[in-house]
Amino acid sequence: DQQVKQNSPSLSVQEGRISILNCDYTNSMFDYFLWYKKYPAEGPTFLISISSIKDKNEDGRFTVFLNKSAKHLSLHIVPSQPGDSAVYFCAAAQGGSEKLVFGKGTKLTVNP
Amino acid sequence: GAVVSQHPSWVICKSGTSVKIECRSLDFQATTMFWYRQFPKQSLMLMATSNEGSKATYEQGVEKDKFLINHASLTLSTLTVTSAHPEDSSFYICSARKGGLAKQFFGPGTRLTVL
Repeated sequence: DQQVKQNSPSLSVQEGRISILNCDYTNSMFDYFLWYKKYPAEGPTFLISISSIKDKNEDGRFTVFLNKSAKHLSLHIVPSQPGDSAVYFCAAAQGGSEKLVFGKGTKLTVNP
Repeated sequence: GAVVSQHPSWVICKSGTSVKIECRSLDFQATTMFWYRQFPKQSLMLMATSNEGSKATYEQGVEKDKFLINHASLTLSTLTVTSAHPEDSSFYICSARKGGLAKQFFGPGTRLTVL
């Protein structure tokens, strides 16, 4: 049973445009969400997070939106840059739990 | 910062041998470290949670006698793959929690190839 789902395995975007990566979850007890970026043969790098008490968090070019009623979050990258090309993982945590539950990732390609 | 290192970055071994992978938090103390495994085009699968000074907690389906975890200090956790077989070939990644944050900081990973 996959609790965190990233239904798009890949996404291709033109440089300078917006990239929107989506993530859905099924466990309503999740209250903290994170996005990680991963290059091949490297460990994931933390990008941005959001607590369930918020519906938006912004950090530079990266904004995460949370829709609790829809159990959906999205990561917006604007403007997209070729260096953003990587696999993006959505992760969720349940209050008090140390564990993160990861989605399968979305491979983003930003074309020059 | 919060830097996590892993050693080795890649290892090739013969079937039946044991391999030890080290995970270190370089600039912070980590009471909790995590070990993940990633198959090609798959998500990160949590194998076990490693707590300093106590036994690791393994996820369902992970053999604790095959994947030995030791967290002897606040900056070091080790994963030993005992009697490795080709099906153990994978990308192993550790992470560490800093303070009370749910956020985890990941190491660069170790590519294990068992011949």
